[in-house]
Amino acid sequence: RKEVEQDPGPFNVPEGATVAFNCTYSNSASQSFFWYRQDCRKEPKLLMSVYSSGNEDGRFTAQLNRASQYISLLIRDSKLSDSATYLCVVKNTGFQKLVFGTGTRLLVSP
Amino acid sequence: EAGVAQSPRYKIIEKRQSVAFWCNPISGHATLYWYQQILGQGPKLLIQFQNNGVVDDSQLPKDRFSAERLKGVDSTLKIQPAKLEDSAVYLCASSPGQLYNEQFFGPGTRLTVL
Repeated sequence: RKEVEQDPGPFNVPEGATVAFNCTYSNSASQSFFWYRQDCRKEPKLLMSVYSSGNEDGRFTAQLNRASQYISLLIRDSKLSDSATYLCVVKNTGFQKLVFGTGTRLLVSP
Repeated sequence: EAGVAQSPRYKIIEKRQSVAFWCNPISGHATLYWYQQILGQGPKLLIQFQNNGVVDDSQLPKDRFSAERLKGVDSTLKIQPAKLEDSAVYLCASSPGQLYNEQFFGPGTRLTVL
């Protein structure tokens, strides 16, 4: 079983739609959680951190459920520029390394 | 502020050849990472350095891959000999320290092994 699992998609949505991505992780010792964004043929960049209390950044909302070991990302009012791959990432204790999911591809169409 | 620099950006080699990648992290960043990203997958950590010491190389195929960061600044990753399955993007990332949450990635080196 992969340590971080995501639906690879693609998710095809029209502009203005709301879309949600989910992710599960298997290591209960994971301590920090993130969503990274990766544009086609580009490097990953941090989109936002994820907290148990939930956090929002503009049109983006991230949630963490530690009991279910589940992370989510909600994008409201999708823009064409949101088209990218969204990587779910957990940071484990010990070596403090990041473990990436396979990513979920989002395609926003006019 | 300059970002993470990597070279070359692209490399095509035949199997059994050797190849080396170079990375220069953001100035002052103590922690440097090398990742392998195969098409359709997320990045997988190969090796993590803290200054010039190796913190984690548990997923580095040591029979063919090696990496060094001799002066605690720039780093090289070498593959010798390359296999077809090594075709991937090799990403270098850096952060101010291990406890810092965000990692800053370079543009990557796209390796094709024929």
